[in-house]
This record gives sequence, structure tokens and C-alpha cells, in this order.
Amino acid sequence: DAGITQSPRHKVTETGTPVTLRCHQTENHRYMYWYRQDPGHGLRLIHYSYGVKDTDKGEVSDGYSVSRSKTEDFLLTLESATSSQTSVYFCAIRNPGTASAGNTIYFGEGSWLTVV
Amino acid sequence: QQQVKQSPQSLIVQKGGISIINCAYENTAFDYFPWYQQFPGKGPALLIAIRPDVSEKKEGRFTISFNKSAKQFSLHIMDSQPGDSATYFCAASTDTNAGKSTFGDGTTLTVKP
Repeated sequence: DAGITQSPRHKVTETGTPVTLRCHQTENHRYMYWYRQDPGHGLRLIHYSYGVKDTDKGEVSDGYSVSRSKTEDFLLTLESATSSQTSVYFCAIRNPGTASAGNTIYFGEGSWLTVV
Repeated sequence: QQQVKQSPQSLIVQKGGISIINCAYENTAFDYFPWYQQFPGKGPALLIAIRPDVSEKKEGRFTISFNKSAKQFSLHIMDSQPGDSATYFCAASTDTNAGKSTFGDGTTLTVKP
């Protein structure tokens, strides 16, 4: 296990409500990522962080915000959840690796979010 | 613009057969090409990866073949087993740009006993 814990693992929420997903790592890695996984779309990057309070947008960032106040925690917030945000959300951390190993990414177990 | 295209979307193979999944990329700056395996209800896990300075890498029954000129790479699973039934994702990344990975859409592999 890569030492990544996501919470909650499952959540059902109503349209228009705020939702926060939490990712906690014990590996002290600098880079953390939030992906969403949808059928036919693979894994798409929402936001990522390259250090405490350093974050940037991914390819599908609209409707999402993130915060990282500590190395170990990376929060994903849906300010006003919509049905299109029903998805499986994966947190990931990056092992800088070696010259030969490259950008190994370790994923959490996922958070299943349903917006009704 | 999809930077990594993966095929087929689904694959059914008999036990003992060879499973082949293909990916093509567009960005020549990519320099790290991993494959991830995902079982239902779990997160993807690194299976095998390759750098573009080699044309092939083998780990047990899993082999990556890499064709730099064609900008293509593939995963071969030899002697496929029912336990290999999973979704497989190819990916590509660079050491720069925060190491962000671009993923293919995934291939669902079913190995029939």
C-alpha cells in the first residue's frame, strides 16, 4: 500500500450542496493529484499540488477547488455539486523515482460520489 | 485533443492466450510510459513501465513493446489467466510539468477459463 487514505469512500449528496473529499498520505511526497474516472474517459486530472499551498488546475477543473495546508492532506471541494460530477474520484501521489523509474504515481482506493 | 489513444476498449481472451493492448501518443516530449492495472472497486496500480531509450521491457508474463518512431507502445500479457481480468490503462508523462500523467481511456480485459 502506498499510504494513501481517501475519505469518505462513498457519498450520496444532493444537487447544489458543497462536498469535500479528503486525501491523506503518510509518504511525505511533494506531489499530490486528484483524478476523476468516468466510463469511456479513463482518468482525467482535476487539480494537482506541488507543495503546501501550491496548487494548479488540471484538464477538468471547472466546478472544483482544492487546498493543501499540510504536506499530508489534499482536499477537493465541489462548491455546488451537480449531477455531472457523479463520478469516482481518485487521489494520487507521485514518487519522484529514479532516472530509470520515472514518474510513478500511486493511487488511493477511490471515493464514489453520487449527486442526486 | 486526446494525447494518448488506447485500443481496444474491451478484450476477451481464453486462458493461456496472449492479450495485447495498444496505445499511441502524440506529444514527443513524453518520456515515461507506464501501464496500470485496476481491479473493480480499487485504485489503479502500476504494473510495468518503460522509458523510450529501450524498445522492450519484460517483467514476468508482462511485456511492454515500444516503437518511438511510430509513437506507439503496447502491453502483452503472455499465458493470460482469469486473475488478469481487470481494466488496464496506459499513460504517458514527462519528468517536467509536475510529472502530470495523461491516461488512455482504458481496456477491460476478460480472461475466460
